[in-house]
Parts: sequence; C-alpha cells; structure tokens
Amino acid sequence: DAKTTQPTSMDCAEGRAANLPCNHSTISGNEYVYWYRQIHSQGPQYIIHGLKNNETNEMASLIITEDRKSSTLILPHATLRDTAVYYCIVRVDGYGQNFVFGPGTRLSVLP
Amino acid sequence: ETGVTQSPTHLIKTRGQQVTLRCSSQSGHNTVSWYQQALGQGPQFIFQYYREEENGRGNFPPRFSGLQFPNYSSELNVNALELDDSALYLCASSSGTSGGADTQYFGPGTRLTVL
Repeated sequence: DAKTTQPTSMDCAEGRAANLPCNHSTISGNEYVYWYRQIHSQGPQYIIHGLKNNETNEMASLIITEDRKSSTLILPHATLRDTAVYYCIVRVDGYGQNFVFGPGTRLSVLP
Repeated sequence: ETGVTQSPTHLIKTRGQQVTLRCSSQSGHNTVSWYQQALGQGPQFIFQYYREEENGRGNFPPRFSGLQFPNYSSELNVNALELDDSALYLCASSSGTSGGADTQYFGPGTRLTVL
C-alpha cells in the first residue's frame, strides 16, 4: 500500500501557483519524497524529489516540513498543460527499491 | 540522450494468448522496472531487472516473466492472457545507484487490450 495520502482532486486558475499537499506521517529517516505526474495515459513524468531540505528545479519546488511528515509540491505559474494526475511517493534510497503509487491528485488548471 | 522507449504502442490479444512487450532503457541506465496500470489506478510494480538479473518482484503471478539483455533493454512476457491483464504497461529505467540518484524515468507505455 502507498504510504502517502493526497487529496483526490484540486483546481487551480491558470497563471496562479498550484500547491499540492501530501501527507506521509510514517516516513522513515532514509526515505525520500518523490513527485511524478501523469498526463492522460502517458508515462509518468519525474518532477522532483527530496530528503529533508526544500528543493527547486525548473519545473517545481518541493517544501518538506521539518518533521518530514508532510510536503507540498508547488508549481509557481500553472498552465493548462500542467493538468495531470500528480503522485507523491516515499521510497527508500537505493537500487532495487520500486515506487508504490497511490491514486494521486488530479489537478485541473482552469482558464 | 535518448529517453525510454517502448514497443508496440498498442496491442490487442485474445484470452489465453501470450504477449511480449519491449523496452529500451535510457542511455547510461542499467536497471529496468516494469509496472502495470489499470484504468483509473496508479501504476503497480511488477518486477525489476538489474544487470540481467531479477532484482525484486511485486504481487504478480509467475505467468508474468521478464528478461534483460546485455544492452540493458528488457522484455515483459505474459502467458495465458486474462481479461484483467488489459492495462497500460510501463517500463522505467534508472542508473542503479544510491545516494538519492536512483530516479526512475518512464517510457510512454504499451496499451494492451485482451478480448
């Protein structure tokens, strides 16, 4: 079973920031938080991952709380092309470790 | 740098038949994982191959089998197809390293329909 809980769906206005929450209250010290998204039956697309510190790349920012029990993915200026299912996954570092996907959050970016 | 590719894109089979799906990993990656995604659900882990050996398996029956080749490409074989095997099959490759670098990159998937 997935070790994360996410809202089933969210809406965001185009051009505004999309803030997607994720709870992972049972996360272990050696587990990373990963975010992927999946656009309409394409393969999941890697977005970002982190362990303890906040992370930022060209796609998004990841904010992890100090106790690591929750995190937020931020898309700073959402566009219509960001409409997708977003998956938050916790996973132990290292090879041989697979991803356990939950149902994710369906983000709809509205014009 | 070439990404993960999968073939075929779509496939229609009948119950009881066998199917082989193919995956070419991203350049520099030696680990391939396979996932099954039923309609409306998240991907479910089938198994992983690292340097031509199975390196972990999910809750799938033995009629799901795989291979990895010396060039790190991979095949997923499913025997005795059942209607419930209809799904999007995803392949993901990774570099097989630790230190937070073992991110998996997914291919576009193969849509299998079993009639």
